Formats: sequence, C-alpha cells, structure tokens
Amino acid sequence: DAKTTQPPSMDCAEGRAANLPCNHSTISGNEYVYWYRQIHSQGPQYIIHGLKNNETNEMASLIITEDRKSSTLILPHATLRDTAVYYCIVRVLAGNQFYFGTGTSLTVIP
Amino acid sequence: DAGITQSPRHKVTETGTPVTLRCHQTENHRYMYWYRQDPGHGLRLIHYSYGVKDTDKGEVSDGYSVSRSKTEDFLLTLESATSSQTSVYFCAISMPDGTEAFFGQGTRLTVV
Repeated sequence: DAKTTQPPSMDCAEGRAANLPCNHSTISGNEYVYWYRQIHSQGPQYIIHGLKNNETNEMASLIITEDRKSSTLILPHATLRDTAVYYCIVRVLAGNQFYFGTGTSLTVIP
Repeated sequence: DAGITQSPRHKVTETGTPVTLRCHQTENHRYMYWYRQDPGHGLRLIHYSYGVKDTDKGEVSDGYSVSRSKTEDFLLTLESATSSQTSVYFCAISMPDGTEAFFGQGTRLTVV
C-alpha cells in the first residue's frame, strides 16, 4: 500500500519550472515525505525529503501543505536530463520501509 | 555511488530452478531492502532487513526468502522460480535515522 497518489505523466518545457504534485492524505504525524527519481532503468536516486517545513537543496524544492496532506516537488529550471519517473514516498518509521507507488513520468520537452 | 553491488546483473533461468541474488554493501548501513520493478507497478518491496539475521516481509514476499548472515550481504532466494518472477530486482540500503535510501543498479532476471 503506497499511501501516495501522483499523476501518471507530465510534460514540462526545458528551462521552465517543473511542479510535480503528490497527495498523501493519510500521512501520520511522524512520517516523512521523500522524493526519488528513476532515470531509464537505473536504480532510483534520492532527491529530497521533509517532515512539515519546506525544504530546498541543490536539486529541488519541496513544498508541504500545512495540513501535510499533499506536497509539491519543484525542479526550478528543468533540463532534458530531468526526464525521469518521479516517486513520492511516505516513509513508515517502524521498520524503516520505503514504499513506492507508480510515480509520475516527467518528460522535459526541448 | 553508494557502495552497493548487485550480482548477477543479468540472469536467465528456467522455471522451477532455484535462484539467489546477492546484494553487497561497503557502507555498514543497518537496513537493507529488496524490491522488484515491473511495468505498471513501480517498485514493490519484497523483503527487508534491519540487522544481521533480522528480516521481515514486504508487500510482495510470496515465493521469496532472504538471509542476512553478515552486515554487508543480503541474499534474495527464489526457491523455485516462476515466470511471474521475471522482473528487475533492486537492492537498497539505508540508515535508520531518517536519511535517504541508496539503490543498487538492479538485476534483470528472466524466468523462461
């Protein structure tokens, strides 16, 4: 049970911001939101995670709503190399499992 | 890349034969995972381990067993491979402090 809902696909123009939404309406107070991406058939790559505050790193920004029921991953200036499947994950603290859903396939268009 | 090595990277086997996939890490991370990835399903957790000899089932554990006799190695065994187990298998490692999981490059298994 992945506990997250994402659109199956999105397009974004190169150089523009890519905003990827995720719904996690049943998230618990001690669960984090993680984002990963998978390029072609490589292993998934960590992007960012957060609990309730917005987070930013060199790759992306994570915006979590105040009620924590949804979040948005922002790639500020999408490049062709950002074409990938993006996974939003709610991390269950007990056992430290990571459950993936089917993700959003992002295509960056020249 | 995190120090994760999966072996073999590719394998073709016949239905009914046993298969063991190996995940080896050099990071001394406590948690290790096995996932499978199939079209339309994303990644699904098979088994995970939270320490030597401590393992538990994930969401699709039927037909699979695991063992972890050393911190650095996590083995996934298909006792009698079936065609439905044709998939790409990923190993991952993480620390239990909330930091990210690191993934291996995957093993493509074909059961004919």
